[in-house]
Amino acid sequence: DVKVTQSSRYLVKRTGEKVFLECVQDMDHENMFWYRQDPGLGLRLIYFSYDVKMKEKGDIPEGYSVSREKKERFSLILESASTNQTSMYLCASSSRGRVETQYFGPGTRLLVL
Amino acid sequence: GQNIDQPTEMTATEGAIVQINCTYQTSGFNGLFWYQQHAGEAPTFLSYNVLDGLEEKGRFSSFLSRSKGYSYLLLKELQMKDSASYLCAVTEGSAGKSTFGDGTTLTVKP
Repeated sequence: DVKVTQSSRYLVKRTGEKVFLECVQDMDHENMFWYRQDPGLGLRLIYFSYDVKMKEKGDIPEGYSVSREKKERFSLILESASTNQTSMYLCASSSRGRVETQYFGPGTRLLVL
Repeated sequence: GQNIDQPTEMTATEGAIVQINCTYQTSGFNGLFWYQQHAGEAPTFLSYNVLDGLEEKGRFSSFLSRSKGYSYLLLKELQMKDSASYLCAVTEGSAGKSTFGDGTTLTVKP
């Protein structure tokens, strides 16, 4: 079974803090993704990575950065958290191949006060 | 980019059949996925279509017409546990980047 884990299920931070969200997958997947999910707005792609040290902007990268130093780990960084970054953050991974099913982690619910 | 449309909400009765439609406009297309997401949980894979036609998997089937930019998810013999959000997603590019629809919240009533 594919397993994608995220470092925290719930996180409360203050405006201006630097926030790290970690994601680890154990299936040797090449591709990894960070989304945020908000009511009425669906899943929106923040950043993705198709290989170690490679990253691509998604649809809403502003205010975020990412790091992929190892194949199994993909980190999302909020340099200076703001209240509009309160959201559910979902990490996913997929293999490069014919069927690119994404496997999701359990999500991190972030509240920025 | 991609634009994906699906109904916001649907209601159906236990034991019935429901069809959830998805239309998309694409600049690239690798395939179309359907995911199920229960409240408070992560999405999980249901089905994948890359060629035109119907893919059947137990009570769930998914159909794709690439020329029409159209897909549907068919759920048969509905059960209460099928109450969830159903997400349509189109993938593109070598990294399998996906764009998701906003999801259809299905409520199954007794």
